[in-house]
Amino acid sequence: QVTLKESGPVLVRPTETLTLTCSVSGFSLSNGGMGVSWIRQPPGKALEWLAHIFSNDEKSYNTSVKTRLSISKDTYKSQVVLSMTNMDPVDTGTYYCARLLGYKYGDPFEYWGPGILVTVSS
Amino acid sequence: QSALTQPRSVSGSPGQSVTLSCTGTKSDVDSHNSVSWYQQHPGNAPKLVIYDVTKRPSGVPDRFSGSKSGNTASLTISGLQAEDEADYYCCSYAGNYDWVFGGGTKLTVL
Repeated sequence: QVTLKESGPVLVRPTETLTLTCSVSGFSLSNGGMGVSWIRQPPGKALEWLAHIFSNDEKSYNTSVKTRLSISKDTYKSQVVLSMTNMDPVDTGTYYCARLLGYKYGDPFEYWGPGILVTVSS
Repeated sequence: QSALTQPRSVSGSPGQSVTLSCTGTKSDVDSHNSVSWYQQHPGNAPKLVIYDVTKRPSGVPDRFSGSKSGNTASLTISGLQAEDEADYYCCSYAGNYDWVFGGGTKLTVL
């Protein structure tokens, strides 16, 4: 059974760095396994893809926030970590991690975590 | 990468069919058969209902179908049911090692 679950702070101050962890089970993050993305959703607004990491450690980022993002994985812990620097109130929203159905760019997001609501406020 | 364009809202009566549109560009929807659709009920994570333009994941009713013409993809829901009321998002490969979502459509079952 494939599951993903996001964890991290629910409140961060402006200018701080947000670090979120996605803990996965039911599949491997090692070479040959599926990749994981981070996707966010401001309250009442649309989904926005942020970053992706494949099992071979290849990474890609949304160009609009690329300079602020870093994605990494710990295969042994079955975790994918997203860091976002210089947080701003507009970054408030629910952050999801999601696993691809396949192994390539463009494949859909088959499994999703429940999401974590992060509020940016002083 | 600009978001794909979806109508803000669509409505239909139980038993009817509705079609939700998703308009992109030559770089994304038009160039790749990697369009997917997600259903999101309030307070829940999105759920994949259509992928690769026309394919349905296991467990998704065959009332859900997808298509594409040029830079516009469509999701059709036939035999509309109360539980279909939700937000729907399209998503496409954007052509530069990235994905792009639409702005979402709120489907109301009257």
